[in-house]
Amino acid sequence: QSALTQPRSVSGSPGQSVTISCTGTSSDVGGYNYVSWYQHYPGKAPKLMIYDVTKRPSGVPDRFSGSKSGNTASLTISGLQAEDEADYYCCSYAGSYTSWVFGGGTKLTVL
Amino acid sequence: EAQLVESGGGLVKPGGSLRLSCAASGFTFSNAWMSWVRQAPGKGLEWVGRIQSKTDGGATDYAAPVKGRFTISRDDSKNTLYLQMDSLKAEDTGVYYCATRIGSYYGSWGQGTLVTVSS
Repeated sequence: QSALTQPRSVSGSPGQSVTISCTGTSSDVGGYNYVSWYQHYPGKAPKLMIYDVTKRPSGVPDRFSGSKSGNTASLTISGLQAEDEADYYCCSYAGSYTSWVFGGGTKLTVL
Repeated sequence: EAQLVESGGGLVKPGGSLRLSCAASGFTFSNAWMSWVRQAPGKGLEWVGRIQSKTDGGATDYAAPVKGRFTISRDDSKNTLYLQMDSLKAEDTGVYYCATRIGSYYGSWGQGTLVTVSS
């Protein structure tokens, strides 16, 4: 079982919005503003999409946004496109002992 | 643009050893903190460990499941990161990724190399 809990799958139609949740504890997600999100196509290198909860690296479309409330972080993808179909993973700093924890991943299907 | 290419994966028996390599290019490797992250079949990502840049001390840190069995090292003259894996167990099976750690996130990743621990 992964340290952070994500839904196994979400789906949406082109143009719609979807939100992927990432639930941790006060020792990780709730305790630090160091949540990042990664897009992963199987067999490819994961790609950073969001860091520090809400920041978007250059080159990532502004359709991707991040937020956090308490122990749950969220990734929202608006204006869904077929190319967004991938696996998405959250990651959080968890303190100097555990260091970094990831979620179990969410498979996004664009219907 | 940063590029990371892992190699060295393969089939190994329980109790055996394997050394993975990660060749880096497109950025100043010697200044980078580097990490290894793995993914067991059908599971999520799992942080394995990291090594600081030598200028920041070169310290290593490991996840509890691999501490004492895995060793991360680097050769800045070759722009290469290593993961020495000893006393391998079936639960170490998975795809191993190297990644650059930039402050609070993993900026660039490789495509991974598959390690299978089985008799």
